[in-house]
Amino acid sequence: DVHLEESGGTSKHPGESLRLSCGAAGFTFSSYSMNWVRQAPGKGLEWIAYINSNGETTYYAESLQGRFIISRDNAKSSLYLRINRLRAEDTAVYYCTRDLLLPTGRFCDYWGQGTLVTVS
Amino acid sequence: QSVLTQPPSASGTLGQKVTISCSGGGSNVGKNPVTWYQQHPGAAPRPLIYNFNERPSGVPERFSGSKSDTSASLAISDLQSEDGAHYFCAAWDDRLSGYVFGGGTQVTVL
Repeated sequence: DVHLEESGGTSKHPGESLRLSCGAAGFTFSSYSMNWVRQAPGKGLEWIAYINSNGETTYYAESLQGRFIISRDNAKSSLYLRINRLRAEDTAVYYCTRDLLLPTGRFCDYWGQGTLVTVS
Repeated sequence: QSVLTQPPSASGTLGQKVTISCSGGGSNVGKNPVTWYQQHPGAAPRPLIYNFNERPSGVPERFSGSKSDTSASLAISDLQSEDGAHYFCAAWDDRLSGYVFGGGTQVTVL
């Protein structure tokens, strides 16, 4: 079974930095693109970043560019998100998702349970 | 403000049919398949409909999707108590090179 598990969520002060991790199991991690998506308390979903299977291509939400860095280590089947200069509005549950590419398009087919980041 | 527009709430009684809309633009819904997600409180989103109208294994046939131009819809037939949840639509946006989401619709089973 596919399993994604995020870790690294914690409480931080504004201006600090944080790295989130996502461990993957149950599939060939190096064959799939991945994403980070977040959800502020009581709010909707917000896509943050995408990384392709070999890590050479990344995309970021326009509003978040500059403070977020997505990366991966295929040897460790792990996905990462570094957040610099944390702000109160970064308080959210952060999800990693697997990206499934079909002939007609793509979607996030598996999600982890999320990790909570609190900035105050 | 979300790129995709959904009504904030919808409701129905047991056994009824509920339809949720998702309005986007030419670079997202108009060009790429829409995915619908269900989310219960405290849980991660779960895909319900992908690739226009396909259901992942385990999703009941009561859930169906449709699309017309730059709008998509999720229909829930024979509404059950466990269908009370938040529903989000999403699509890849070719102009933004990223996923865009709707703001979510809270479905209440009366």
